[in-house]
This record gives sequence, C-alpha cells and structure tokens, in this order.
Amino acid sequence: DTEVTQTPKHLVMGMTNKKSLKCEQHMGHRAMYWYKQKAKKPPELMFVYSYEKLSINESVPSRFSPECPNSSLLNLHLHALQPEDSALYLCASSQADRGTGELFFGEGSRLTVL
Amino acid sequence: GQSLEQPSEVTAVEGAIVQINCTYQTSGFYGLSWYQQHDGGAPTFLSYNALDGLEETGRFSSFLSRSDSYGYLLLQELQMKDSASYFCAVRPLNGGYQKVTFGTGTKLQVIP
Repeated sequence: DTEVTQTPKHLVMGMTNKKSLKCEQHMGHRAMYWYKQKAKKPPELMFVYSYEKLSINESVPSRFSPECPNSSLLNLHLHALQPEDSALYLCASSQADRGTGELFFGEGSRLTVL
Repeated sequence: GQSLEQPSEVTAVEGAIVQINCTYQTSGFYGLSWYQQHDGGAPTFLSYNALDGLEETGRFSSFLSRSDSYGYLLLQELQMKDSASYFCAVRPLNGGYQKVTFGTGTKLQVIP
C-alpha cells in the first residue's frame, strides 16, 4: 500500500468555523508533512512530524494546529481562518532519515474560506 | 536559506525532447529530487540525484552538477500526458533532513 489518504477532498468554511483535515498512511513512514499550495505555486512546507513529534513548524499562524495521534495519522485543525488561507493542503509522508527521501503525497484537501 | 529557480513555462512538441532546468542557491543539501504534478493532482516523485551526474529512469533522466549549482530534468519521446508542472526539490544539510523545499516550478505544455 503506497497510498496517502486525505479527507475531506473539499472543504468550505466560514471565518468563525472550526474544522479538521485528516491524513493517513500505512507505509510505515515515520515522517509526515503538511504543505500548503496556492494556484500556480510550489508546495510550501508548514509542519513536519518525525517519530510522532513536531520537528518543524515553519512559523505557521496559530490558527493552524497540527496533531499526530499515532504513526499513521496526521491531522490539521483549523480555526478562525482568513480568506487568504484558501488553498490546497497536501499531506505527505516519507522515511524519516534515510534513502532518497521520496515524499508520498495525498491528493490534497481543497479549502475555501469565505 | 534555499532558493531554487526554474523557468515558469516550457512548450514542446509531442515526440521531442525537453530539458527543464533548476538553478539553486543553497548552503548544501542531501540530493536533488524531481516531482511531477498534473493539474488538480498530487505531486509524484520522478527521480533523485544524490551525486553529480546523470540518473536515467525510462524516458526521464535527471542531472546534477553541485559545482555549477545546477540540475535538470530531461524528458524524451514526449507524450501529451507529460503536460504537467515539474518541481525540483532539496533536503538541506542544515535545517533538518525533513525540511524539503521545492523550486519555483515549470509548467510544461506538450503540443501535437
């Protein structure tokens, strides 16, 4: 199984809502990532969990809150977002510290903030 | 920090060969990777160069020259399905193995 599964595929939320994005992988990868991608732009790193501990936070606003409940799951909790946060949110996983470092991406959650 | 520059758009004819360049300014990295992303899809891994030189994977080849701060992706026998965005990416030596940074991206259009 070389899949990373993200839910939901699409999400529309108001600026006062609280929602969560979910990501799951069963490849035994111990590094999991959240990326944000705007149209016609490269993926932009937000957070990395390594062995279920937050290892990288790229100065992301606190309205985005990541969580890694176990080695297969990654969540991104959203609260009080702004319209400029509308984007494709990509989850990825990889081996934590060796090899080519190939990232396996999910299909993404397309978020619209009204 | 890392800066990886790519041409924004490239157009090539079906059956031809196209080269997508990636020039970078970075203090050091583990290796250079390439990803393909179709519109509306997820990025998928294409190749990885840990060392200088050419790596070949079917119709795709990738090249790295650390001394020239330069790499490229070569696509041969272009097919319409190769129309996509292509990103180079690095894992920097300082900043952590997991801090994967992507280049600016190149949108490739293959025309008949």
